[in-house]
Amino acid sequence: DVKVTQSSRYLVKRTGEKVFLECVQDMDHENMFWYRQDPGLGLRLIYFSYDVKMKEKGDIPEGYSVSREKKERFSLILESASTNQTSMYLCASSTTTGLARDTQYFGPGTRLTVL
Amino acid sequence: LAKTTQPISMDSYEGQEVNITCSHNNIATNDYITWYQQFPSQGPRFIIQGYKTKVTNEVASLFIPADRKSSTLSLPRVSLSDTAVYYCLVDRGSTLGRLYFGRGTQLTVWP
Repeated sequence: DVKVTQSSRYLVKRTGEKVFLECVQDMDHENMFWYRQDPGLGLRLIYFSYDVKMKEKGDIPEGYSVSREKKERFSLILESASTNQTSMYLCASSTTTGLARDTQYFGPGTRLTVL
Repeated sequence: LAKTTQPISMDSYEGQEVNITCSHNNIATNDYITWYQQFPSQGPRFIIQGYKTKVTNEVASLFIPADRKSSTLSLPRVSLSDTAVYYCLVDRGSTLGRLYFGRGTQLTVWP
């Protein structure tokens, strides 16, 4: 089974802090994604990566950056956390080959609260 | 990119069959139709995918008419544990792996 893990289920930070959200997948997937999910807005893509050191902006990249130094790990960084970044953050991974191509496997999510 | 339209919410009772229809009028030849399910406080998970006609697995069935402009996810004999958000996606698998999730359909199953 594909396993996608996220470093924290719940996180509370203060405005202006630098926040790191870590995601690790164990299936050697090429693609990794960061979404945020807010009530009534569904899933919105922040950034994604299709290879090590490669990144692409999603629909709402402002205020975020990402890092992918190793294939299995994709980090989301909030340079200076703000209250409007309070949200559920979901990480996902997928492969570009085989029958399960492009099926995204999600982690359990991190509920971030910025005070 | 094919846009999808699905109901915001649906209600059902335990033991009933539930059909959620998704409209995708601009679907392209290479597009597949995929459904994901999301339980509260969890990430979405893949449940079924199809290209045309009917696909069935242990969780659901997917019906796609010949013109492929809509699709229907069918959940047989739902239980309380089927309460979740269901997302319909249309994807041609050539966009560096990214998928477009809409707002989904909140299905609530009542006892």
